[in-house]
Amino acid sequence: DTGVSQNPRHKITKRGQNVTFRCDPISEHNRLYWYRQTLGQGPEFLTYFQNEAQLEKSRLLSDRFSAERPKGSFSTLEIQRTEQGDSAMYLCASSPHGQGHAEAFFGQGTRLTVV
Amino acid sequence: EDQVTQSPEALRLQEGESSSLNCSYTVSGLRGLFWYRQDPGKGPEFLFTLYSAGEEKEKERLKATLTKKESFLHITAPKPEDSATYLCAVQEGYNFNKFYFGSGTKLNVKP
Repeated sequence: DTGVSQNPRHKITKRGQNVTFRCDPISEHNRLYWYRQTLGQGPEFLTYFQNEAQLEKSRLLSDRFSAERPKGSFSTLEIQRTEQGDSAMYLCASSPHGQGHAEAFFGQGTRLTVV
Repeated sequence: EDQVTQSPEALRLQEGESSSLNCSYTVSGLRGLFWYRQDPGKGPEFLFTLYSAGEEKEKERLKATLTKKESFLHITAPKPEDSATYLCAVQEGYNFNKFYFGSGTKLNVKP
């Protein structure tokens, strides 16, 4: 399977715990995005990487959220001191380099439930 | 301020009953408009990219069109397997940094 891979697919955690999600983009895609989606809404932008550089971060992203993409390959999204409001689907997408390619390809997401 | 608005929120069709979904956008300098299909509990699946007004793309029973202010996703003779949420997204100018998504249209096709 050469698509975007996200792990775990589901995560249930207690309020106040830390969680970390992993995203493996499509090989050679240098652009990587994290989005969050709640029921009945479209995906909401969280952050963007070009290679290993984090170039943009949503103002909605509190300091409890941090993302990394070491060596420009896989990425991790960590949420510290989780709150019930963090319950959502976390989506990762990647996009290839080049002016002629703009579309992003999404993984299947990680469903987070904070209890 | 919403950059992307989709309508209707939900649409119920009989199998074979053609219809259109609308996506209106308000960005300065459209880089690209994207249509995705999303099944429950899954990530969005890429369908089409449109870059300029007048452009059209087709795939099976789906046809996407673009004007300067909106895009339509036409569904011809839909089947129950076309039931899903259809999402529209845009990118501004030369900013590859993000996609702005609409809330989607939930399509239900009854046999």
